[in-house]
Amino acid sequence: GDSVTQMEGPVTLSEEAFLTINCTYTATGYPSLFWYVQYPGEGLQLLLKATKADDKGSNKGFEATYRKETTSFHLEKGSVQVSDSAVYFCALFRGYAGGTSYGKLTFGQGTILTVHP
Amino acid sequence: DTEVTQTPKHLVMGMTNKKSLKCEQHMGHRAMYWYKQKAKKPPELMFVYSYEKLSINESVPSRFSPECPNSSLLNLHLHALQPEDSALYLCASSPGTGVGDTQYFGPGTRLTVL
Repeated sequence: GDSVTQMEGPVTLSEEAFLTINCTYTATGYPSLFWYVQYPGEGLQLLLKATKADDKGSNKGFEATYRKETTSFHLEKGSVQVSDSAVYFCALFRGYAGGTSYGKLTFGQGTILTVHP
Repeated sequence: DTEVTQTPKHLVMGMTNKKSLKCEQHMGHRAMYWYKQKAKKPPELMFVYSYEKLSINESVPSRFSPECPNSSLLNLHLHALQPEDSALYLCASSPGTGVGDTQYFGPGTRLTVL
């Protein structure tokens, strides 16, 4: 079955440090890939997405590239801020499988990021 | 606009109560979802509605009853819940269920069952 593996956290960084959160996936076909962010006490917000191999998603200084050869979608940011402290979820979506559409997002376990001033 | 709204924000209920959670979107999306999220875990899919018809039920206990009155509204009716059902309940919507369709989440309802 489909699965997403994220690097274990928590990750603690100082402000302006470089961020990488690793994400690898297992899925048949050609899924779309997503990063969602969840701030304390809130729902999930879409951070960025990529729908095909070699696509780069970017938003708010965050970037991730869909690498089919390594089945990866690592999240990066060049300079983190205290306001980036949150839980980050990598997810895949394989909307069409075996002749039936299927609307299930498969999530990784989440990575807690804490940024100190 | 990519807003999904959920009410109430917080809900406390006893095990014999009946309550409902409400979700609304006005983006013209044709797929809507209910997820359950426990602390420090990713969301777990409960139900999927596509074109106002229930298309997926992830073996959810019958004490949770979803309803989709129209394409913009999604309800989750709760009855005889257990304390272990306490969680954040998230609603999401997407244009469809194709591989390129993005799910947009609401802020959630924090449910506590006493």
